[in-house]
Amino acid sequence: GIQVEQSPPDLILQEGANSTLRCNFSDSVNNLQWFHQNPWGQLINLFYIPSGTKQNGRLSATTVATERYSLLYISSSQTTDSGVYFCAVEVPHYNTDKLIFGTGTRLQVFP
Amino acid sequence: DAGITQSPRHKVTETGTPVTLRCHQTENHRYMYWYRQDPGHGLRLIHYSYGVKDTDKGEVSDGYSVSRSKTEDFLLTLESATSSQTSVYFCAISESGQAPYNEQFFGPGTRLTVL
Repeated sequence: GIQVEQSPPDLILQEGANSTLRCNFSDSVNNLQWFHQNPWGQLINLFYIPSGTKQNGRLSATTVATERYSLLYISSSQTTDSGVYFCAVEVPHYNTDKLIFGTGTRLQVFP
Repeated sequence: DAGITQSPRHKVTETGTPVTLRCHQTENHRYMYWYRQDPGHGLRLIHYSYGVKDTDKGEVSDGYSVSRSKTEDFLLTLESATSSQTSVYFCAISESGQAPYNEQFFGPGTRLTVL
């Protein structure tokens, strides 16, 4: 089956720093989502991005489907950005497309 | 925020007992999903539903059953809970189930401990 790898696995930043998180996938996909799981466990949708670039405030994402990777950029990080960031690729599965999740990047932002 | 609630939010049970988790949505979305989250595995699909009374298996469906008698409710049942089913369970909803309209939104999760 398709493999989804995220790097780095852990990232420690000081408030105000910028970071780039990477998601590689081993086969073609129908779409890709980025999530933030906050310290309380809630999964928050960040981007639904099959290709190209999208921006939302301090966050932006770029997916290059032909090269099978996606990048999540966080600028001017804040302590509230702490948590685990997951990418999930969307692949066909019988009567739906299912999500295959990477194992995440754990981000800690210190004041 | 998408209107998705899960109940209970926390449960401790004993091996061999039946357990039912409930997912309720107010978005009238056709597709609903159950995932489990375990350390080192990310989230994995257990079962999903593509309409009332229409369900199918995901990647890790052994030991689980589901039912959907109304659009808004999707139940996950562990017929006889085992310690390997200790996990955090998430429900998700989606409007269409296929790209490009398959953005999935997740509920708050249920933490289940099987002793």
